[in-house]
Amino acid sequence: GQNIDQPTEMTATEGAIVQINCTYQTSGFNGLFWYQQHAGEAPTFLSYNVLDGLEEKGRFSSFLSRSKGYSYLLLKELQMKDSASYLCAVMDSNYQLIWGAGTKLIIKP
Amino acid sequence: DTAVSQTPKYLVTQMGNDKSIKCEQNLGHDTMYWYKQDSKKFLKIMFSYNNKELIINETVPNRFSPKSPDKAHLNLHINSLELGDSAVYFCASSQGRLAEIQETQYFGPGTRLLVL
Repeated sequence: GQNIDQPTEMTATEGAIVQINCTYQTSGFNGLFWYQQHAGEAPTFLSYNVLDGLEEKGRFSSFLSRSKGYSYLLLKELQMKDSASYLCAVMDSNYQLIWGAGTKLIIKP
Repeated sequence: DTAVSQTPKYLVTQMGNDKSIKCEQNLGHDTMYWYKQDSKKFLKIMFSYNNKELIINETVPNRFSPKSPDKAHLNLHINSLELGDSAVYFCASSQGRLAEIQETQYFGPGTRLLVL
């Protein structure tokens, strides 16, 4: 079966750095997405990785290792507004998005 | 200038009723989607619709049916509502099919459905 695993919840301090991991087992791979979802709101796109390596975009970076079925989202200089759920999603061989349950990130002052 | 809009935002109804949720996108996108997000926060694709081609997730009961009057709209009809249908339903759109590199989906605000 297809499976996306992420930690359920993480806590970090304002100004610090946090890494949210995602491991996946899917039938084929056509890219991995990270989305941010604030409570009660729709998911919004953060990043897309299809090749191995690190993609940096401002305070957020996303890393992919296809051989390990592993990705992480790195958030630097954490701000209170970063408190949200972070969803990992993998596009399988049928170009369907398989979603993880999300990691709830709590930022403390 | 909302990109993807849905109505209603909240829907409370009785078991057995038939209801519709509307979705509109003003981005000129070719593909629209319906997702169901359950209490455990899993997002599950229900349908994708591109140029009159409907792709259905086979796990979706046939009580659910998408209707697309034009490229900018994809409505969701639900017949004989059941308690387990309670969830948040998100509409989304993308420029092409997700097969295109770096296609991203733009989500609507969600419709919170509660079946009593």
